[in-house]
Amino acid sequence: DAGVIQSPRHEVTEMGQEVTLRCKPISGHDYLFWYRQTMMRGLELLIYFNNNVPIDDSGMPEDRFSAKMPNASFSTLKIQPSEPRDSAVYFCASRATGQGNEKLFFGSGTQLSVL
Amino acid sequence: QQQVKQSPQSLIVQKGGISIINCAYENTAFDYFPWYQQFPGKGPALLIAIRPDVSEKKEGRFTISFNKSAKQFSLHIMDSQPGDSATYFCAARSGTYKYIFGTGTRLKVLA
Repeated sequence: DAGVIQSPRHEVTEMGQEVTLRCKPISGHDYLFWYRQTMMRGLELLIYFNNNVPIDDSGMPEDRFSAKMPNASFSTLKIQPSEPRDSAVYFCASRATGQGNEKLFFGSGTQLSVL
Repeated sequence: QQQVKQSPQSLIVQKGGISIINCAYENTAFDYFPWYQQFPGKGPALLIAIRPDVSEKKEGRFTISFNKSAKQFSLHIMDSQPGDSATYFCAARSGTYKYIFGTGTRLKVLA
């Protein structure tokens, strides 16, 4: 298995532009998580999905952020409009249902820089 | 109540020494406490985990100590090696599938 795949690896954009981050979870995993990593706040949970349905989006910072999961193999995190304070590393992670499957598998992240 | 507080923020240890990272929580409903290891440019990866009915878990040079009454848990890395230099995150699971992470500890092991 190729693991969790995120794209792009790096994104540099200007303030006000729309940014779309992409994630392909591990096949068979029915939970998908979006995290944001910064030096000050560490890893923050933004939103997670179960069977493509958003379960908890309480970590989404504001209306400029939105996430979708149109099918079991693809999710997007969109920021519109982007701001410099959104600069961070964004991680996608997935896991399977059930006890014994507590391990989260993380992608390599997208380094976002908003100028 | 959903926070997991981690310390120290950074740690420098000599090769062969013991690295200790501490975490504290408030929510007694947390039922699973993993530690993740992250190398530069990579996503975090599960290192070791413990459930609250156990006070200690050891895997090789890595040990988790868990104090349920104090609501604290810690990671001990024995005989620390330069290859252990990474960022370490403690975490706690809330409900069945919600994972709350600490702010991370950057460990550097000097050769």
